[in-house]
Amino acid sequence: DAKTTQPPSMDCAEGRAANLPCNHSTISGNEYVYWYRQIHSQGPQYIIHGLKNNETNEMASLIITEDRKSSTLILPHATLRDTAVYYCIVRSHTGANSKLTFGKGITLSVRP
Amino acid sequence: KAGVTQTPRYLIKTRGQQVTLSCSPISGHRSVSWYQQTPGQGLQFLFEYFSETQRNKGNFPGRFSGRQFSNSRSEMNVSTLELGDSALYLCASRSTGIAEAFFGQGTRLTVV
Repeated sequence: DAKTTQPPSMDCAEGRAANLPCNHSTISGNEYVYWYRQIHSQGPQYIIHGLKNNETNEMASLIITEDRKSSTLILPHATLRDTAVYYCIVRSHTGANSKLTFGKGITLSVRP
Repeated sequence: KAGVTQTPRYLIKTRGQQVTLSCSPISGHRSVSWYQQTPGQGLQFLFEYFSETQRNKGNFPGRFSGRQFSNSRSEMNVSTLELGDSALYLCASRSTGIAEAFFGQGTRLTVV
């Protein structure tokens, strides 16, 4: 699986949009971009995933650049409960491998 | 629908002992994966089981083993515990054809 690079931390004000960047310059054509988050002492929570088109669900939006070398997770109206470590993961859907390779993630702190 | 259930939530063991952790996946999910999370190494993949067969294995010593039963419930075992095995052990389940993994709350193992 391709490697991802995320800044170690960022913060944003409550109610504002949080834009979390991720670089995955070695991504291959069949690899998807996934985002998970982990709130302190809990198991990781799936947020969203995409291949090349932008995706949106009730939690967030995922914007993938045209060359697919980077992406941005957008939390449109961050709340204090969104404070967590966010992991960007690249994974292929082919074959039987469902392993998720977690990096260090980005720690998002939402301030009141 | 019940989520992924891991038992016990907390465990304290002594060096040299062995431990068994249990994971009940979401109903209908046939794939169960295990991860170890430590402050130093982050989240690391241990192994994955699908239909009672180990399908993928991470880079951990043979002291770490697992199995899956016909009802998809899974157990992992760690023998001859070391202090470095102290970690949060997470289980994730996924359904065939659905990409995202759903994690349990984890079992916090402390080895003293």
